[in-house]
Amino acid sequence: GAVVSQHPSWVICKSGTSVKIECRSLDFQATTMFWYRQFPKQSLMLMATSNEGSKATYEQGVEKDKFLINHASLTLSTLTVTSAHPEDSSFYICSARDQGRLEFNEQYFGPGTRLTVT
Amino acid sequence: AQKVTQAQTEISVVEKEDVTLDCVYETRDTTYYLFWYKQPPSGELVFLIRRNSFDEQNEISGRYSWNFQKSTSSFNFTITASQVVDSAVYFCALSAGNYGQNFVFGPGTRLSVLP
Repeated sequence: GAVVSQHPSWVICKSGTSVKIECRSLDFQATTMFWYRQFPKQSLMLMATSNEGSKATYEQGVEKDKFLINHASLTLSTLTVTSAHPEDSSFYICSARDQGRLEFNEQYFGPGTRLTVT
Repeated sequence: AQKVTQAQTEISVVEKEDVTLDCVYETRDTTYYLFWYKQPPSGELVFLIRRNSFDEQNEISGRYSWNFQKSTSSFNFTITASQVVDSAVYFCALSAGNYGQNFVFGPGTRLSVLP
């Protein structure tokens, strides 16, 4: 149980284009999902908290107009990197909280999406 | 504010050696959870353990063991008889408060187990 998938697992796009990454909770409902970014040899940094049916909450320094987040259902959140540039190349990881297990402060992590912008 | 420190950036050991990865955390909350994750070269985070602030019992799972000490705000991880497959980056993380949402990750420790 508690599986989170991400699609695609890797993507290469040209500078100036947009790319969408999907995060799905496969066997539980998640009103809250999280998006992290991990640069090479660094730790995971929280970018934003995605709330089902409402606007996402972005961490300081993360451009909300560049990283569009949509959480339209209890099992799906999407991250769209708009007008991507080479500096956006990174490993993007999503996580989700199980609505039935909030008291354990757990997050279930997806396998990650490696974005390369050329 | 919450913070997790993993002082060891990189560790190299020879197979079959024991190795301990250190984790020190900071939080003002009395209720919190601590986690360890393994990140192999594939990138996918592998959950290893969750421990809440009210349970200070040490835990052993096969070759893995964890030592939680609130007095020193530490949650150290020991691998006994290390194997090459243990080579990965290991992250310690903290989630504070009741129903706390935010995860704070430590910087990670890169473990290399040499044959």
